[in-house]
Amino acid sequence: TQLLEQSPQFLSIQEGENLTVYCNSSSVFSSLQWYRQEPGEGPVLLVTVVTGGEVKKLKRLTFQFGDARKDSSLHITAAQPGDTGLYLCAGANRGSQGNLIFGKGTKLSVKP
Amino acid sequence: GAGVSQTPSNKVTEKGKYVELRCDPISGHTALYWYRQSLGQGPEFLIYFQGTGAADDSGLPNDRFFAVRPEGSVSTLKIQRTERGDSAVYLCASSTLLAGGHQTQYFGPGTRLTVL
Repeated sequence: TQLLEQSPQFLSIQEGENLTVYCNSSSVFSSLQWYRQEPGEGPVLLVTVVTGGEVKKLKRLTFQFGDARKDSSLHITAAQPGDTGLYLCAGANRGSQGNLIFGKGTKLSVKP
Repeated sequence: GAGVSQTPSNKVTEKGKYVELRCDPISGHTALYWYRQSLGQGPEFLIYFQGTGAADDSGLPNDRFFAVRPEGSVSTLKIQRTERGDSAVYLCASSTLLAGGHQTQYFGPGTRLTVL
């Protein structure tokens, strides 16, 4: 069974601080996606990383896929209260088509 | 354009009852997925449709759970003899036809099911 472990589970920081959340697995994935979910809503895709070692930037968010395609990180620079939410990573394998395997998420709270 | 919609947004039922949850995917999306998200957990895959057929139902927890998509658009997730452990948010997502690539799944807001 493939599992994705996210850490930390909870993170509460002040506006302007930097943070990194991690997504780790013992399994290799063909791609890894990061989602953000707000209360009462479904997850919204932020980025997909496909190539080992790949780095993608989305404004103040930087995503990295591990060289072995088993882990990923999300770094947020100068966090804003609007970044508050649940950040989920999800792994996909070509063979399983639509079956995304999600981690439990990191609940981020950014206080003004 | 309209996103994925799910009805009802909330459903409260009693143990042992039957429930139906509906998902309207984005128009033109051929792939449709159901996930279940329990409190404090990430979404857990249940079933995936490509067109009218279930391409992968390996995530359905037992035979009380069943899903259909008769015309390749709207899907209904059916739960028989509900149990308290079925309480969760049921998420639906849709995407365009898979072409060996990494599709984007667009999620609906979910149906919060509470079994008393």
